[in-house]
Amino acid sequence: GQNIDQPTEMTATEGAIVQINCTYQTSGFNGLFWYQQHAGEAPTFLSYNVLDGLEEKGRFSSFLSRSKGYSYLLLKELQMKDSASYLCAVRENDDYKLSFGAGTTVTVRA
Amino acid sequence: KAGVTQTPRYLIKTRGQQVTLSCSPISGHRSVSWYQQTPGQGLQFLFEYFSETQRNKGNFPGRFSGRQFSNSRSEMNVSTLELGDSALYLCASSFGYLAKNIQYFGAGTRLSVL
Repeated sequence: GQNIDQPTEMTATEGAIVQINCTYQTSGFNGLFWYQQHAGEAPTFLSYNVLDGLEEKGRFSSFLSRSKGYSYLLLKELQMKDSASYLCAVRENDDYKLSFGAGTTVTVRA
Repeated sequence: KAGVTQTPRYLIKTRGQQVTLSCSPISGHRSVSWYQQTPGQGLQFLFEYFSETQRNKGNFPGRFSGRQFSNSRSEMNVSTLELGDSALYLCASSFGYLAKNIQYFGAGTRLSVL
């Protein structure tokens, strides 16, 4: 089974940078996903990592270290619209299901 | 291209009743997964269907069931509803056979059991 941990809440100022950490334990790793979910809306896909290293996509970057069971999502130049819950999800082996962490609620203040 | 569509968006039922939720995946997607989301437990995997076959099942009681039709549309059914079944039920679709296999979520059905 999966054990996926991420902080419950984070607060940052508009224009700043925030890093959301995610640690996981799995018997067979086959990819890590980050999703963004605004209150009352569907989760939307942000990033996918399966190899070690950094994936950059505009203001968002995601990093993975498979040996450490660790990932982070980096949000740069924060905007008010980035206030949302960020979900870390891991896929195990050839299973197509995703196991999700509890989510990190990010609040961006003016 | 239309996204994942879930109906109804909101549902109110009483204990002991049963409910059926519907999910229409993105055109061309053959895999549909169902999740339950609650404030305390987060997103919990229910089951996944691919080409009308259940490929994976989460740790939920047998009261929770689903099926997939030949057009990839899926339904999930919850029988003998309990108060604890109140949650947001999310459906996600994907191609189902690509290595990256990104799941795209619908807006969900919010079920309240009274």
